Amino acid sequence: EIVMTQSPATLSVSPGERATLSCRASQSLGTNLAWYQQKPGQAPRLLIYGASTRATGIPARFSGSGSGTEFTLSINSLQSEDFAVYYCLQHNNWPPWTFGQGTKVEIK
Amino acid sequence: QVQLLQSGAEVKKPGASVKVSCKASGYTFSGYYIHWVRQAPGQGLEWMGWMNTNSGGTYYAQKFQGRVTMTRDTSINTAYMELSSLRSDDTAVFYCAALSPAVALDYWGQGTLVTVSS
Repeated sequence: EIVMTQSPATLSVSPGERATLSCRASQSLGTNLAWYQQKPGQAPRLLIYGASTRATGIPARFSGSGSGTEFTLSINSLQSEDFAVYYCLQHNNWPPWTFGQGTKVEIK
Repeated sequence: QVQLLQSGAEVKKPGASVKVSCKASGYTFSGYYIHWVRQAPGQGLEWMGWMNTNSGGTYYAQKFQGRVTMTRDTSINTAYMELSSLRSDDTAVFYCAALSPAVALDYWGQGTLVTVSS
């Protein structure tokens, strides 16, 4: 099973600043990596797929990068609605899929 | 529009089983795999497995093998997830989802809270 490790667990950021979240895989994924945002009481929402492609309707301030075992989600100029928990998900060619443990982005 | 409507909250005793339903609408049911994801209170997302709604084939995460069964009824466009031998640490929200990140497919049910308590 591929283990996904996200860091940091919590990120305190002021509105308008940039947030950088990391996700590391225990095996190479190519670009089979997605990022999700989850707000309290809501289902997760897809932000980034293929490691770097924004899903439909996702603002340009969200960007993803990386391949293999190291991935990054960047959020430029954080807005109030961006404070949430972010998860990476690996969906490599063969199951099981696995989520990272999440990074909470909170208001500083 | 695509919608996944899950059954309501459940309260179960330890050792019992729970069966959560997920009714799909707005698309061809057999066209997308249905995944199940668990989220314990205040915790992260845990992928449980998937069902090929066309063939009925399943894949379960090792952690849940032997306790989980995913089925579907194509006549009513509904998928099911049954978890047996419930423990208190199974208390969680269970989500069904039609997922294929490779093609940006991303539809989730509203979640079903299962509480396990004596």
